Amino acid sequence: EVQLLESGGGLVQPGGSLRLSCAASGFTFSNYAMSWVRQAPGKGVEWVSTISSTGRSAYYAGSVKGRFTISRDNSMNTVYLQMNSLRVEDTAVYYCAKDKTGNFVGWFDSWGQGSLVTVSS
Amino acid sequence: EIVLTQSPATLSLSPGERATLSCRASQSVSNYLAWYQQKPGQAPRLLIYDTSNRATGIPARFSGSGSGTDFTLTISSLEPEDFAVYYCQQRSNWPPLTFGPGTKVDLK
Repeated sequence: EVQLLESGGGLVQPGGSLRLSCAASGFTFSNYAMSWVRQAPGKGVEWVSTISSTGRSAYYAGSVKGRFTISRDNSMNTVYLQMNSLRVEDTAVYYCAKDKTGNFVGWFDSWGQGSLVTVSS
Repeated sequence: EIVLTQSPATLSLSPGERATLSCRASQSVSNYLAWYQQKPGQAPRLLIYDTSNRATGIPARFSGSGSGTDFTLTISSLEPEDFAVYYCQQRSNWPPLTFGPGTKVDLK
């Protein structure tokens, strides 16, 4: 059974930093692209970032480009999201999501339970 | 960036009724469209991908259709557990991957 477990969320002041982690199990992690998707309170779903299975390629939404960095450690079956220069509008539940196939297709067939990030003074 | 719009925003129906949800793209996404279901306090769940393929374990009452810019998710006969928010998502032209704003299916 696929399991994705996020951690690292919390309360941070505007301009601060936070690193989210997502520990994966139940599948061959190194074969799959991984993504972060967020959802502001009471709002819809927004794609944030994707990293290829090898970690060589990374993609970002315009709203976070230059501030967030996605990375992965295939030996630890973990994907990370380093968030810098946080803004109030980054407040959201951040989900880790697994791609449906080994060749990235952009469909998310497994999701974590989410980690709440609150940016507030 | 491809913008997805969904209609209606809210659909009020009773169990056993048919639900028809619409998703429209600002430009063609070919057949690269998916649907997700989200219940309160839960992560989204993949229902349909590539317009019409049901994801693993998804009941046959869920079906998807369309192409280009206009897509439909149909729930043939609503079960109590189907009352939720439904999002469409495209992967045709990315980054960014984009989602629609959602349609809430609630109890009439």
